[in-house]
Amino acid sequence: GQQVMQIPQYQHVQEGEDFTTYCNSSTTLSNIQWYKQRPGGHPVFLIQLVKSGEVKKQKRLTFQFGEAKKNSSLHITATQTTDVGTYFCAGYDYTGKLIFGQGTTLQVKP
Amino acid sequence: NAGVMQNPRHLVRRRGQEARLRCSPMKGHSHVYWYRQLPEEGLKFMVYLQKENIIDESGMPKERFSAEFPKEGPSILRIQQVVRGDSAAYFCASSLSRGSSYEQYFGPGTRLTVT
Repeated sequence: GQQVMQIPQYQHVQEGEDFTTYCNSSTTLSNIQWYKQRPGGHPVFLIQLVKSGEVKKQKRLTFQFGEAKKNSSLHITATQTTDVGTYFCAGYDYTGKLIFGQGTTLQVKP
Repeated sequence: NAGVMQNPRHLVRRRGQEARLRCSPMKGHSHVYWYRQLPEEGLKFMVYLQKENIIDESGMPKERFSAEFPKEGPSILRIQQVVRGDSAAYFCASSLSRGSSYEQYFGPGTRLTVT
């Protein structure tokens, strides 16, 4: 079945440093969604990318969808302690199920 | 507009007991999804339901697990004869419709601990 893989699994950064997480799918995706889960919390939808090569920005967050629609990335500029959490990418498989990556957990040292 | 509601938030069961997890979708949403999350892992799809119908249960264990979404009332995920391996966070999500264009809204989850 379709697999969605994320790297790295964990990332520790100093506050103010940048952070990037990468997402790769074993198959071409119709779109990709990104979610954030704070410690002890639930996943919260951040954004959806649909077009090949699409780039979207939300303040310090930049999301990119690869040209082949099989990979995506999330980049955070100048991290803050409020960015702490686990970031998941997710893509729909051919049956309509949303398949989540295993997530990248970000720790930010003040 | 109230979000997705789940209860209980925390549930402790002894091995062999039954666990019932409830989910009320967002107002106007008729599509409900259940996911399981083990510690430090991603979310694994379990089942997708619409009112009175199970659409896709390919992620559900074949035994002891069942789900329903009756015409009236919340969706229920039922785990019979729980074992320690069932300890996890169970999240419910709802969407306005089915398809990749629609985002899923997650509830706060039920943390199940089996002792």
